[in-house]
Amino acid sequence: DAEITQSPRHKITETGRQVTLACHQTWNHNNMFWYRQDLGHGLRLIHYSYGVQDTNKGEVSDGYSVSRSNTEDLPLTLESAASSQTSVYFCASSPYLPTSGALYNEQFFGPGTRLTVL
Amino acid sequence: GQQVMQIPQYQHVQEGEDFTTYCNSSTTLSNIQWYKQRPGGHPVFLIQLVKSGEVKKQKRLTFQFGEAKKNSSLHITATQTTDVGTYFCAGVDTNAGKSTFGDGTTLTVKP
Repeated sequence: DAEITQSPRHKITETGRQVTLACHQTWNHNNMFWYRQDLGHGLRLIHYSYGVQDTNKGEVSDGYSVSRSNTEDLPLTLESAASSQTSVYFCASSPYLPTSGALYNEQFFGPGTRLTVL
Repeated sequence: GQQVMQIPQYQHVQEGEDFTTYCNSSTTLSNIQWYKQRPGGHPVFLIQLVKSGEVKKQKRLTFQFGEAKKNSSLHITATQTTDVGTYFCAGVDTNAGKSTFGDGTTLTVKP
């Protein structure tokens, strides 16, 4: 069955270290997204991609970067981890369906990565 | 930029009571999506509304999209303990080309 996976599921790191969170989907979706979720807040968009070699900044992109070298993967890198980046990170993907009448469609979320920066 | 506000932030109900959450956007939306996140889980898609004034039903859940495409609501009739979780709306803005999630409404149901 097609799915979206994230790894690791839990990560503890130290301030200043570089961290990469993996996201892999097997639906062949064009669109992929990274969100962070903090207590009392909804899902805030970090970066997104509408296809291979395409990346875009979301509302909270400072300190994060992504690259899209293939359809299946969108790794998220924290260049120099800060305590403010302690959060739960969700990756999501969605298909591009030009005939659906919608700008884009249902997002399928991964299980999340809980990141703690000490 | 686009803002999507959801109210209330929390709602505590007795099992069997009804529940409604409201989503309001600062800009006109292309479409709106609703998601449910169970405690400790990830968001799961419930429905998407595209047309002005659209109403869709899923068993005890009723979703509405406003005539001006700037607001939406989710109503649950006769809540059950299985309805517990956080309900998020996500508004897609045509001009921005991306979606913005509301902060969610967390529903607790007392048996």
